[in-house]
Amino acid sequence: GAVVSQHPSWVICKSGTSVKIECRSLDFQATTMFWYRQFPKQSLMLMATSNEGSKATYEQGVEKDKFLINHASLTLSTLTVTSAHPEDSSFYICSAKALTGEQETQYFGPGTRLLVL
Amino acid sequence: EDKVVQSPLSLVVHEGDTVTLNCSYEVTNFRSLLWYKQEKKAPTFLFMLTSSGIEKKSGRLSSILDKKELFSILNITATQTGDSAVYLCAVGTGTASKLTFGTGTRLQVTL
Repeated sequence: GAVVSQHPSWVICKSGTSVKIECRSLDFQATTMFWYRQFPKQSLMLMATSNEGSKATYEQGVEKDKFLINHASLTLSTLTVTSAHPEDSSFYICSAKALTGEQETQYFGPGTRLLVL
Repeated sequence: EDKVVQSPLSLVVHEGDTVTLNCSYEVTNFRSLLWYKQEKKAPTFLFMLTSSGIEKKSGRLSSILDKKELFSILNITATQTGDSAVYLCAVGTGTASKLTFGTGTRLQVTL
């Protein structure tokens, strides 16, 4: 149980275009999903917390107009990188909160590698 | 600002060795400490710890939390080459269980 999928797994795009990444919880409902970014040889940095049916909460320094998050259902959250630039190239990972026994745990999707040319 | 520090940053051991990875933290509103293993893709969940002194074990891996001294250790016994990965420690805080990650320990197990 607690499987999270992401699509696409990798994407190459031209500078200035927008890229949408989908995160789905496959076998459970997730009221809360998280979006992280990871640069090479660095740890995961939380970008935003996505709550179903409400606005996302962004971490300090993350531009909400550049990284649009939509959590339209209990199994789907999307991250759209608008007007992507080469410095947005990174590994984007989502996670979803799930109950493991009586405790909440975050399960991660497989990640999306974005390369902006 | 919440902080999670892992040590060592990297480690090279021979197959069969035992390793101990460290994670210390300074956070407000602690809820849980989690260990993940990251190979080439996204992290895979290993353990979640919420109570001090209770060891969690899964095969050759075990972990324990000390909430008084604000640290946790992850032990791997009889290491194998398949254990080579980055091990991430994360601390969950607040009602949203937001995770703050450490920089990770890169473990390489050689033959």
